[in-house]
Amino acid sequence: TQLLEQSPQFLSIQEGENLTVYCNSSSVFSSLQWYRQEPGEGPVLLVTVVTGGEVKKLKRLTFQFGDARKDSSLHITAAQPGDTGLYLCEGGSEKLVFGKGTKLTVNP
Amino acid sequence: DAGITQSPRYKITETGRQVTLMCHQTWSHSYMFWYRQDLGHGLRLIYYSAAADITDKGEVPDGYVVSRSKTENFPLTLESATRSQTSVYFCASTRGGGGQFFGPGTRLTVL
Repeated sequence: TQLLEQSPQFLSIQEGENLTVYCNSSSVFSSLQWYRQEPGEGPVLLVTVVTGGEVKKLKRLTFQFGDARKDSSLHITAAQPGDTGLYLCEGGSEKLVFGKGTKLTVNP
Repeated sequence: DAGITQSPRYKITETGRQVTLMCHQTWSHSYMFWYRQDLGHGLRLIYYSAAADITDKGEVPDGYVVSRSKTENFPLTLESATRSQTSVYFCASTRGGGGQFFGPGTRLTVL
């Protein structure tokens, strides 16, 4: 079974700081998704990446897919309190699995 | 309303009772999923369905039953609830590839 490791598990930063969170696997992904989940709500899809080396931007969020399609990163520039939440990656080849997430807190 | 809805949003029940959680989507997505989310375990797949009348087990199916007679509905039944089934349950759907769309969740407490 493919496992997705997300790091760090917890991250607490001040408003305005930059941050990067990671999603890694020992196996190749056919596709990878990033989600954000706010307390009391379901995860919300942010982006899908499918091509090795692909970079996608969503306002202050930059998503990168590793060249070998085994890892991905999410970089947030100038974090805001509204970015607070649990960031989940999902991916796989035959079966899709979720990582356990990075819980991000952005303090004003 | 368009989208994916779950009901009830909150449920308290007792050990041994049967409970059914409802999920309805308006996109006509082929695939639907049930997950449970617990601290320390993340999202775990219970059952999924690729189309009406086609269902398959996920990672943690024991104690749960699903059916899918219509494309838009995917109910999850706990046949005899146990305390270990206290959790937040999420339903999701997708047309296939490219990410899933989640409902708002049902918070279930089994006393």
